[in-house]
Amino acid sequence: EAGVAQSPRYKIIEKRQSVAFWCNPISGHATLYWYQQILGQGPKLLIQFQNNGVVDDSQLPKDRFSAERLKGVDSTLKIQPAKLEDSAVYLCASSFPTGNYYSSYEQYFGPGTRLTVT
Amino acid sequence: GESVGLHLPTLSVQEGDNSIINCAYSNSASDYFIWYKQESGKGPQFIIDIRSNMDKRQGQRVTVLLNKTVKHLSLQIAATQPGDSAVYFCAENNNAGNMLTFGGGTRLMVKP
Repeated sequence: EAGVAQSPRYKIIEKRQSVAFWCNPISGHATLYWYQQILGQGPKLLIQFQNNGVVDDSQLPKDRFSAERLKGVDSTLKIQPAKLEDSAVYLCASSFPTGNYYSSYEQYFGPGTRLTVT
Repeated sequence: GESVGLHLPTLSVQEGDNSIINCAYSNSASDYFIWYKQESGKGPQFIIDIRSNMDKRQGQRVTVLLNKTVKHLSLQIAATQPGDSAVYFCAENNNAGNMLTFGGGTRLMVKP
């Protein structure tokens, strides 16, 4: 089974520039998550999609971050304009709600995109 | 606010010894906990999980213990191997859908 794909793997931009990240979840996974992981910290959830609808975006800085999952499969996360404190690894994860409450929490992570803002 | 945290940022063990990684949580409403392993340059990888109605769960070389009385979670790795070197995160479900809250991580270093 192919894993969660993300691109690009690395990105360096200057502050105030824009950047976009792409994620392709595991086939059949209805739920997709974007996390921000600052160096030395655990991942922090930014947004969660169920199919193409947003379940939770309470921790997404909406003045500069946006995300979409138009067809319920791939997703893009955009930052415009970027700030120095946005330097982090952006992780995409997906999960398959099986109806089994126990297993529905297992999230599969992609390799992440390392963003450096200078 | 309520959060998941770890006691030790770095743990160094000898190859073949057992490792114990600890985690404290503060949300008494959390009913599900996961341990993830993250190697350099990779995303977190699921290791083992446990629900709040259990106090112990075993996998292959790994055991998770849950003490709800003191809100403490631990991951035990038997016969630690060099391939176990990574950062380990505990995460809790905050009883709000599939959302997980991650702790700060512990780096496990295995000495040959």
